[in-house]
Amino acid sequence: DGGITQSPKYLFRKEGQNVTLSCEQNLNHDAMYWYRQDPGQGLRLIYYSQIVNDFQKGDIAEGYSVSREKKESFPLTVTSAQKNPTAFYLCASSIQGAAEQFFGPGTRLTVL
Amino acid sequence: RKEVEQDPGPFNVPEGATVAFNCTYSNSASQSFFWYRQDCRKEPKLLMSVYSSGNEDGRFTAQLNRASQYISLLIRDSKLSDSATYLCVVSLSGGSYIPTFGRGTSLIVHP
Repeated sequence: DGGITQSPKYLFRKEGQNVTLSCEQNLNHDAMYWYRQDPGQGLRLIYYSQIVNDFQKGDIAEGYSVSREKKESFPLTVTSAQKNPTAFYLCASSIQGAAEQFFGPGTRLTVL
Repeated sequence: RKEVEQDPGPFNVPEGATVAFNCTYSNSASQSFFWYRQDCRKEPKLLMSVYSSGNEDGRFTAQLNRASQYISLLIRDSKLSDSATYLCVVSLSGGSYIPTFGRGTSLIVHP
């Protein structure tokens, strides 16, 4: 089955630790995105990539880093510089920039 | 003015009611429009694209008003299972552009 997966579903980390969230897609999509969603809030764009080996900052990139070494993978690292990392993180992909996006099931990160 | 604006609601309606949401956008050059549905603590899922001529999918009708720069979603004969947050998404056309999400409108359908 084609789709987009994220792991783990729930993640707990101590303050000050870096953590990497996984996002994989087998839809052969060029574009991939990372969003953050806080309770009762909309989606905020962290980073996006429209092609392998290239990515751009979104609206709230500070404290996050990404890589896009393979078309199907777009991992997100939440660094210790991110002041309030506890949130629901959603990864998405699309054929190209303006097309409809398909989302993974998300990762709930809690920093203790 | 925000790029994409939605009334957060909640819209509280009885089963069987008809309910409509609007979403306004600021960039008149926008070309791609979508409605997504997001259930509580789940990922957003595409509900329908919005075409210039309007489109219908069962109980759901989406329309675009370019002159007033808004899109709408009409839900007829509401079901309990329609309770969710509905996100509006707007984008310029072309591969280099990325969509902008509204904050969503919450719908609660009660018995």
